[in-house]
Amino acid sequence: EAGVAQSPRYKIIEKRQSVAFWCNPISGHATLYWYQQILGQGPKLLIQFQNNGVVDDSQLPKDRFSAERLKGVDSTLKIQPAKLEDSAVYLCASSPKTGAIYNSPLHFGNGTRLTVT
Amino acid sequence: KQEVTQIPAALSVPEGENLVLNCSFTDSAIYNLQWFRQDPGKGLTSLLLIQSSQREQTSGRLNASLDKSSGRSTLYIAASQPGDSATYLCAVPSGSARQLTFGSGTQLTVLP
Repeated sequence: EAGVAQSPRYKIIEKRQSVAFWCNPISGHATLYWYQQILGQGPKLLIQFQNNGVVDDSQLPKDRFSAERLKGVDSTLKIQPAKLEDSAVYLCASSPKTGAIYNSPLHFGNGTRLTVT
Repeated sequence: KQEVTQIPAALSVPEGENLVLNCSFTDSAIYNLQWFRQDPGKGLTSLLLIQSSQREQTSGRLNASLDKSSGRSTLYIAASQPGDSATYLCAVPSGSARQLTFGSGTQLTVLP
């Protein structure tokens, strides 16, 4: 099966500019996650979708970050305006399961590396 | 709030050595624990998932152990190879088991 696709792979922008990342999960996967991974740290959850509804966005900086998942498939994560501390790798993951993920594997994309100068 | 810690942050070993990576978590009421591998510029690949009722899980040269009561897990890599060089992360379900909380990882370098 095709994996989780993310684009672009790399993005360099200046602070205060806007940027958008795209994720196409594995076909049929109901749950989609966006994680932020700062260099030297583990991934931190930004937002979780189940189909096209938001399950958890408690750690999403809503003053500058937004995300949507149209028709319960592809998802877009946007940052506007970007700050220096937003430099990180943004990982998208999907899971076929909904609800608790006791035994459900997460499938990760290769991520988008964002550099804010 | 669950917190996951991994020590050491980086490890360099000569090829052929057996090694142990450590993971600790603050809330012992976990359903399972996963170990992931992350290669540079890549996403995460699941290596092992060990259930809370299990004490060990093995896959090839990898063996993961879990001690819930002490809040610890170890990943044992036997006969290390240069191809094992990567960052290894552990993660536990949190948020009503709907999400994963990750440690910061151990960056492993196996020298030929």
